[in-house]
Amino acid sequence: DVKVTQSSRYLVKRTGEKVFLECVQDMDHENMFWYRQDPGLGLRLIYFSYDVKMKEKGDIPEGYSVSREKKERFSLILESASTNQTSMYLCASSSAQTSGRYEQYFGPGTRLTVT
Amino acid sequence: AQTVTQSQPEMSVQEAETVTLSCTYDTSESDYYLFWYKQPPSRQMILVIRQEAYKQQNATENRFSVNFQKAAKSFSLKISDSQLGDAAMYFCAAVQGAQKLVFGQGTRLTINP
Repeated sequence: DVKVTQSSRYLVKRTGEKVFLECVQDMDHENMFWYRQDPGLGLRLIYFSYDVKMKEKGDIPEGYSVSREKKERFSLILESASTNQTSMYLCASSSAQTSGRYEQYFGPGTRLTVT
Repeated sequence: AQTVTQSQPEMSVQEAETVTLSCTYDTSESDYYLFWYKQPPSRQMILVIRQEAYKQQNATENRFSVNFQKAAKSFSLKISDSQLGDAAMYFCAAVQGAQKLVFGQGTRLTINP
């Protein structure tokens, strides 16, 4: 089974802190994604990566950056955390092969609170 | 841009009954995939069912089935014989270019014993 893990389930940070959220997948997937989930808004794509060192902006990239130095690891960085970044953050991965049929596999999520 | 709309923020159903969750989408692509994902409370999001747009037959996975109306751009999820373990947030999603997914707002399903 595909396993996607995230470094923390719950995180509390102060305004202005630099925050790192880590995601690791064990299925050799090419694609990795970061979403934020907010009530009534569903999941919104922040950034995604389709290869090592490659990244593309999603729908809401402002205030975030990402890093993918190794195929299995995709990090989300909040350069200076703000209270409006309090949210649930979900990482996902998928195979680039069409046989994978675009299914994304999700991590358990990190609930980030910025005070 | 592709959009996915779930117009029912919350639904409830009696255990063992059938419930249908609605989803509409908008896409200009001719071939695409549609998904329903389930997110149980405090647990990981998992895929429930997948529909390939070029297939006319509605997808079925045990108690879960879809009603795919391509012309109407509608993709509803039917859960038969509802069980307590079906209680969750359900998200409809559509593939966008470059293998990205666009998600709806979600529907919270409650199962009444």
